[in-house]
Amino acid sequence: AQSVAQPEDQVNVAEGNPLTVKCTYSVSGNPYLFWYVQYPNRGLQFLLKYITGDNLVKGSYGFEAEFNKSQTSFHLKKPSALVSDSALYFCAVRDMDQGGKLIFGQGTELSVKP
Amino acid sequence: DTEVTQTPKHLVMGMTNKKSLKCEQHMGHRAMYWYKQKAKKPPELMFVYSYEKLSINESVPSRFSPECPNSSLLNLHLHALQPEDSALYLCASSLDRGQLYSNQPQHFGDGTRLSIL
Repeated sequence: AQSVAQPEDQVNVAEGNPLTVKCTYSVSGNPYLFWYVQYPNRGLQFLLKYITGDNLVKGSYGFEAEFNKSQTSFHLKKPSALVSDSALYFCAVRDMDQGGKLIFGQGTELSVKP
Repeated sequence: DTEVTQTPKHLVMGMTNKKSLKCEQHMGHRAMYWYKQKAKKPPELMFVYSYEKLSINESVPSRFSPECPNSSLLNLHLHALQPEDSALYLCASSLDRGQLYSNQPQHFGDGTRLSIL
């Protein structure tokens, strides 16, 4: 079965500093990886997805993610954090052996302070 | 603004009530999903519809009854719920759920926050 892990429950960053939200994956076959963000009282918003062959994926709101096959990681990054980036972030993998279900990590709460 | 619209945004109901949650999308997506989410936890899949047919039921109690009247609409009928069913209920849609569409994202609505008294 496919799985993703987000090792940090919370990440604290100062505004203007780079941010990284970590995700590691365990998949058999091709990984179909996604990042979503959830702002308070909102649903999940799609940020970006891994496309085979592109190790650096660019997404919405200035976010990007680095796919590393040897480390089985798909970390979310942003060069300069904004206070408005404060939210709950989920990494997810699509499990095609289970009918295409999205398997989510436990989530990482990002707090960006001025 | 999200492209998946859920109504109502909030719902308070007693354990003996019957109510329904509604979800609508006009993106031409053929797969639609219901999720349950507790605070600060990942969404838990409940049901998946593909081409208006129920394709996945994640062993959800029968007090939750999904319905897909057409390709744009998804309902979740609620009856005799328990206090532990209080949660955010999210609807999502995607282009399709087959292998060819494996890298297509799901698009989520903003959810219905359900409180059971």
